[in-house]
Amino acid sequence: GAGVSQSPSNKVTEKGKDVELRCDPISGHTALYWYRQSLGQGLEFLIYFQGNSAPDKSGLPSDRFSAERTGGSVSTLTIQRTQQEDSAVYLCASSLASGGAYEQYFGPGTRLTVT
Amino acid sequence: KQEVTQIPAALSVPEGENLVLNCSFTDSAIYNLQWFRQDPGKGLTSLLLIQSSQREQTSGRLNASLDKSSGRSTLYIAASQPGDSATYLCAVRAGGGADGLTFGKGTHLIIQP
Repeated sequence: GAGVSQSPSNKVTEKGKDVELRCDPISGHTALYWYRQSLGQGLEFLIYFQGNSAPDKSGLPSDRFSAERTGGSVSTLTIQRTQQEDSAVYLCASSLASGGAYEQYFGPGTRLTVT
Repeated sequence: KQEVTQIPAALSVPEGENLVLNCSFTDSAIYNLQWFRQDPGKGLTSLLLIQSSQREQTSGRLNASLDKSSGRSTLYIAASQPGDSATYLCAVRAGGGADGLTFGKGTHLIIQP
């Protein structure tokens, strides 16, 4: 595809439910990143993948958050037992490879609202 | 822990003016610095990437500079247009194998027609 795509674009869920957010990176990009953008907090790094492995999970805020990537392409971010503070826009980015030389290209995001 | 600060938080100027957005970071051990724009309800669009060994990058009316030793970057926008209205974000990529970007909170820019 032409760019990074994310689905759904919007998700409203009740507190305590699990949600899955999906990211399709740019074709051929081996590195994939998840970020969260919430009011007052700015953009926070959550996790990144190089291929299917996740060398850096340092930004995941709690053990309710997990992510996987299969086939070196699509990634899913799962939030279990959602809380109201999880409400945010979740952004995915990809780059040709990991490392300092490569730009990260962002998707349009998934707006998650926990009621 | 790396911290990125952007000044000003908001800026409103008449069309046609040249303007400068500022970004500072606390840890100079970075791989690169990237400037983005974000339009309301949209994702981020990459504007310029400056490697740690570079001093500046230019793209059209945009020029970004990097002074790594002092922990500063500026984004210069020449001959501003209403279409430049957006939030501009600065982000740094740390060294040492950490690959996620650390973002500032952005400068909300309005160009008045």
